[in-house]
Amino acid sequence: SYELTQPPSVSVSPGQTANIACSGDKLGDRYVSWYHQKPGQSPVVVIYQNSRRPSEIRERISGSNSGNTATLTISGTQTMDEGVYYCQSWGSSTGVVFGGGTKLTVL
Amino acid sequence: EVQLVQSGPEVKKPGESLKISCETSAYSFTSYLIAWVRQMPGKGLEWVAIIDPYDTETRYSPSFQGQVTVSVDRSVRVAYLQWTSLKASDTAMYYCARLKQLEKDPFDYWGQGTLVTVSS
Repeated sequence: SYELTQPPSVSVSPGQTANIACSGDKLGDRYVSWYHQKPGQSPVVVIYQNSRRPSEIRERISGSNSGNTATLTISGTQTMDEGVYYCQSWGSSTGVVFGGGTKLTVL
Repeated sequence: EVQLVQSGPEVKKPGESLKISCETSAYSFTSYLIAWVRQMPGKGLEWVAIIDPYDTETRYSPSFQGQVTVSVDRSVRVAYLQWTSLKASDTAMYYCARLKQLEKDPFDYWGQGTLVTVSS
């Protein structure tokens, strides 16, 4: 079955850049989406098709995908960016696949 | 405004049946797929199943195949997730979400979630 691996946690200082990695076999050959979930809320898509950003998402968020790793980058990190970020892609036999999630802490 | 509104929280006993719903509005119901996603307490997101309201074709995660059933009622624009015999391990938040195309598009709108608690 296809799996996506994320680090459990990432910490950054306010104003710094946060990079969250998502790894999977030949992930660069697949589309990746990223979701942001705050406590008690539904997930929100922040990046889709590897690097496209919904119009309502702040420009500080960007994405890339190559080889075996997709990366979500948040520049000028603020406390409002805290929460858990999930990558998501597709496996031929497993269908939808989510990464385990990365908790972003801004401190 | 696109909305997916889910039914309210449920408390059930092991062995009971349950059907939760996801009512959609403000978009062409048959033009988007509907997915169900589970989130166990304190855990990550797990895909359960996807249904195409246009032809009711379904696809289940291998982990949930045979454990749940998804369906739609096109006349009222509602998607359903149901269990015939709940287990304590089914305790979780369940989200519905829509997407346009498999293997390409994201889950762009999500319901607010339905909390299912199974306890004796």
